[in-house]
Amino acid sequence: AQTVTQSQPEMSVQEAETVTLSCTYDTSESDYYLFWYKQPPSRQMILVIRQEAYKQQNATENRFSVNFQKAAKSFSLKISDSQLGDAAMYFCAYRRMYSGAGSYQLTFGKGTKLSVIP
Amino acid sequence: DSGVTQTPKHLITATGQRVTLRCSPRSGDLSVYWYQQSLDQGLQFLIQYYNGEERAKGNILERFSAQQFPDLHSELNLSSLELGDSALYFCASSVAAQDTYEQYFGPGTRLTVT
Repeated sequence: AQTVTQSQPEMSVQEAETVTLSCTYDTSESDYYLFWYKQPPSRQMILVIRQEAYKQQNATENRFSVNFQKAAKSFSLKISDSQLGDAAMYFCAYRRMYSGAGSYQLTFGKGTKLSVIP
Repeated sequence: DSGVTQTPKHLITATGQRVTLRCSPRSGDLSVYWYQQSLDQGLQFLIQYYNGEERAKGNILERFSAQQFPDLHSELNLSSLELGDSALYFCASSVAAQDTYEQYFGPGTRLTVT
């Protein structure tokens, strides 16, 4: 079974600074997807960024980028120029790519609570 | 707004009771996933339906059941409720069971069991 570990329960960052959230995962599969989801106080789950395991290039979305290290099974999220609106829980998630008759459910880490200090 | 709707937003009920949570997927999405978010267990996959058929089960208790109707909306039924069932229940939808990697989450239903 796949597992996702986020070792930082809480982090804080000064507004306009850069912060990196860590995530490691365990899988025996070679092809899969990785995601970062943001959950603000509203509780809505918002997809921040995704990475396909077969792609060597790290994904970027505006101020958000990832450092994907497949061999190390590491998938960190970097938030640049942090804004007050970035304050939220961040969840790392794994999804298999090929499921056959199975499912494509997401496996989540426990989350990292990010605070942004004005 | 993801296009996925869930009702009710909040639900307060007593132990031993039964409740039904409803989810309407995005227009055109055939697959519905249910997830539970609790303080103890984090975010866990419960069950998936695809075009009316059960596709996969995760950590779903026997007291819980779900179904997907011909109009593709889904309901999650929770019975003999216990205090530990208090959680945020999300549904998510995607276009198909295969060949897609994005699931769109609804706003969740907050269940409180007293």
